Amino acid sequence: AQSVTQPDIHITVSEGASLELRCNYSYGATPYLFWYVQSPGQGLQLLLKYFSGDTLVQGIKGFEAEFKRSQSSFNLRKPSVHWSDAAEYFCAVGARFGRGADGLTFGKGTHLIIQP
Amino acid sequence: EAGVAQSPRYKIIEKRQSVAFWCNPISGHATLYWYQQILGQGPKLLIQFQNNGVVDDSQLPKDRFSAERLKGVDSTLKIQPAKLEDSAVYLCASSPSLEYYNEQFFGPGTRLTVL
Repeated sequence: AQSVTQPDIHITVSEGASLELRCNYSYGATPYLFWYVQSPGQGLQLLLKYFSGDTLVQGIKGFEAEFKRSQSSFNLRKPSVHWSDAAEYFCAVGARFGRGADGLTFGKGTHLIIQP
Repeated sequence: EAGVAQSPRYKIIEKRQSVAFWCNPISGHATLYWYQQILGQGPKLLIQFQNNGVVDDSQLPKDRFSAERLKGVDSTLKIQPAKLEDSAVYLCASSPSLEYYNEQFFGPGTRLTVL
């Protein structure tokens, strides 16, 4: 079965500084990888996804992520964070099962705090 | 377009009581998911529907949880009887087509507290 590890429960970054959130996955084949963001009182919103091809993927709100098969990682980055980026970030992996099942397996999340 | 709607937004019940949550997906979305998000954890898939058929319910505790999606549109998730460990946010999501891994659009969730 697939699994996702987000090693950092909390990360604090100064506004304007760069950001990297770590994600490691476990899956026997090529995974489908996702990053979602969850703001207080809001639903989960997709930031970006990787299916195949270019290992550096661009997402919304200036985020990008790089798939590294050798490290089983899919780290999320942003060159300069804004106060509005404070939220909970979830990495997720998907596997292709039979009958169209494609529910996601999520990590426990990383809580991002932005310092002024 | 309107997003995924869920109700109620909050619910407090005593253990051993029953509770039901309702989800209305984005219009035209064929696939509907229910996830359970316990505090401090990521969402966990409970059940996936395509139209009105169940595709995956392998993680649904079937002795107490049930779900249906009549007419392939809105859906209801029920817990009967509830346990303390069922306290969580229940998220509904929908996806536009039957292709794998289209973006899932999430609703705001229903926060359940079991006392």
